Amino acid sequence: QVQLVQSGAEVKKPGASVKVSCKASGYTFTSYDINWVRQATGQGLEWMGWMNPNSGNTGYAQKFQGRVTMTRNTSISTAYMELSSLRSEDTAVYYCARVVSSGYYYENYYFDYWGQGTLVTVSS
Amino acid sequence: SSELTQDPAVSVALGQTVRITCQGDSLRSYYASWYQQKPGQAPVLVIYGKNNRPSGIPDRFSGSSSGNTASLTITGAQAEDEADYYCNSRDSSGNHLGVFGGGTKLTVL
Repeated sequence: QVQLVQSGAEVKKPGASVKVSCKASGYTFTSYDINWVRQATGQGLEWMGWMNPNSGNTGYAQKFQGRVTMTRNTSISTAYMELSSLRSEDTAVYYCARVVSSGYYYENYYFDYWGQGTLVTVSS
Repeated sequence: SSELTQDPAVSVALGQTVRITCQGDSLRSYYASWYQQKPGQAPVLVIYGKNNRPSGIPDRFSGSSSGNTASLTITGAQAEDEADYYCNSRDSSGNHLGVFGGGTKLTVL
């Protein structure tokens, strides 16, 4: 069965960086994009970016450009999301999700499997 | 600000029908997908594409779309459907980025 298992909770100081991992199993890792989504406490879902595990190509929401880096290690079927220059507003649960994108114009776009979430707390 | 707009809260009587809507320019080109999220849990996909349900999602959940508006309909709402619901699609930039609506809190009375 498809599973995305994320790394454990992190506590970081303002200005530091955090790297969250997302280990995939139960499918061919390079066949589906991985997207990252975050959710601050009591807030909605916020889309952060995508990564193609086959090519390594990425695309980031403008809000995170320059601060986020999404990478992968195909030998261990693991995706990573690194966020730098952390501030208190980055305190949130971070999710990875497997994405299906299909159709002639890629009009079908949805997240069929999610990781369990990783709480990142930024506090001095 | 979100490029997909949802009503913050909607309520429905037990067993009645409720529609949750999502508006955005990108919905003229891309299908919305819908996610249910209960407290302390990861989101769960409930509707994708034109009107498709993943395995395990009850058939009381359905989706539709018209113009720039996508809708999630729950026909015969159950107590367990009380949750936050989010729509998602590509954004309107043409750069294959994604975007979520702000979410709708559904209360089943």
